[in-house]
Amino acid sequence: EAGVTQFPSHSVIEKGQTVTLRCDPISGHDNLYWYRRVMGKEIKFLLHFVKESKQDESGMPNNRFLAERTGGTYSTLKVQPAELEDSGVYFCASSQDRGRVNTEAFFGQGTRLTVV
Amino acid sequence: KNEVEQSPQNLTAQEGEFITINCSYSVGISALHWLQQHPGGGIVSLFMLSSGKKKHGRLIATINIQEKHSSLHITASHPRDSAVYICAVRLHSGGGADGLTFGKGTHLIIQP
Repeated sequence: EAGVTQFPSHSVIEKGQTVTLRCDPISGHDNLYWYRRVMGKEIKFLLHFVKESKQDESGMPNNRFLAERTGGTYSTLKVQPAELEDSGVYFCASSQDRGRVNTEAFFGQGTRLTVV
Repeated sequence: KNEVEQSPQNLTAQEGEFITINCSYSVGISALHWLQQHPGGGIVSLFMLSSGKKKHGRLIATINIQEKHSSLHITASHPRDSAVYICAVRLHSGGGADGLTFGKGTHLIIQP
């Protein structure tokens, strides 16, 4: 079974450009999460999808970040326009939905974004 | 102050040593995860705990809900265990974001 896959693995862009990160969750996983680790800090939650709906986007840093999950399958995270402080590693995770029961989260390899 | 504190931040040990990494949290949680990240690699889930103890191979994870504390132990450590070990908690419903809240990680190096 394929795990969570993220694309690209690395991206270097100039300040002001646009970048789109993609996450393909494990098939059948309704929950999809985006996280980010900036240099020297702990990983931080960005947002949570349940199927195609945004369940919680309280961690999104500002309106330059837009996440979508059309059709409830893969998700994209667009940063437009990118700023230097957006550099970091962006992780995606997915899990099954079992109501209020905790389920294991499966993480992707991450996308390392460098804004220069 | 982070809601999830890990110690130590860095740990270097000799092959074969028994390793303990600690995690303390300050809020009510519904589950605690131990994760592993190799250099340049993705994150792998090792354990998900809500009570008691779990064992998988040479790895053991324990949690004490009353004391808000968890430990990850590695027996007979090996250089391939070198990685960053991250503790993450899921807050009780309504206690914060839906996602996990992470510690800063413990950077473990096992020398041959």
